[in-house]
Amino acid sequence: DAKTTQPTSMDCAEGRAANLPCNHSTISGNEYVYWYRQIHSQGPQYIIHGLKNNETNEMASLIITEDRKSSTLILPHATLRDTAVYYCIVFSGSARQLTFGSGTQLTVLP
Amino acid sequence: DSGVTQTPKHLITATGQRVTLRCSPRSGDLSVYWYQQSLDQGLQFLIQYYNGEERAKGNILERFSAQQFPDLHSELNLSSLELGDSALYFCASSPRAGAGGSYNEQFFGPGTRLTVL
Repeated sequence: DAKTTQPTSMDCAEGRAANLPCNHSTISGNEYVYWYRQIHSQGPQYIIHGLKNNETNEMASLIITEDRKSSTLILPHATLRDTAVYYCIVFSGSARQLTFGSGTQLTVLP
Repeated sequence: DSGVTQTPKHLITATGQRVTLRCSPRSGDLSVYWYQQSLDQGLQFLIQYYNGEERAKGNILERFSAQQFPDLHSELNLSSLELGDSALYFCASSPRAGAGGSYNEQFFGPGTRLTVL
């Protein structure tokens, strides 16, 4: 599976949109981008995934660039409860496992 | 609440001992995954079972073993425990085997915190 690069940490003001970037320049055509988050010591929580089209669900939006080399997870109205480590994962299925990197520590500030 | 349950929540034991961690997947999920999260290693995939059969293996030590039972619950057995085995152990489940890139959302349990003294 392709490697991902994320900023170590980010801050966001409560009520504002949180935009979390992820670079995956070596992604191949059949690899999906998955996002999970982990609130302190809890089990990771699935957020969203996509292949090439932008995706939206009740939690977030995922914007994937046309060349698929990067993506952005958008939390439209961040709350204090969104403070967590966010993991961007590229997954093809052939490896049959999710590989979690270091992620981005998002801190939502009051 | 993901629907995945893990017992016990906390486990304290001594070096050299053996412990068993238990996981009940979400209703209807056939795949179970085990992960280890320690402070210095991050979240590491250990092993996956699908409908009772081992499906994928990650960085699982030979001292560790797992199985999935006919009722789909799974157990992770850790033996000859060392101080370095102290970690959070998470179980996750998903409906499918994980083949292909989509439909691979995994739902994680609350974890078992293992402390080896």
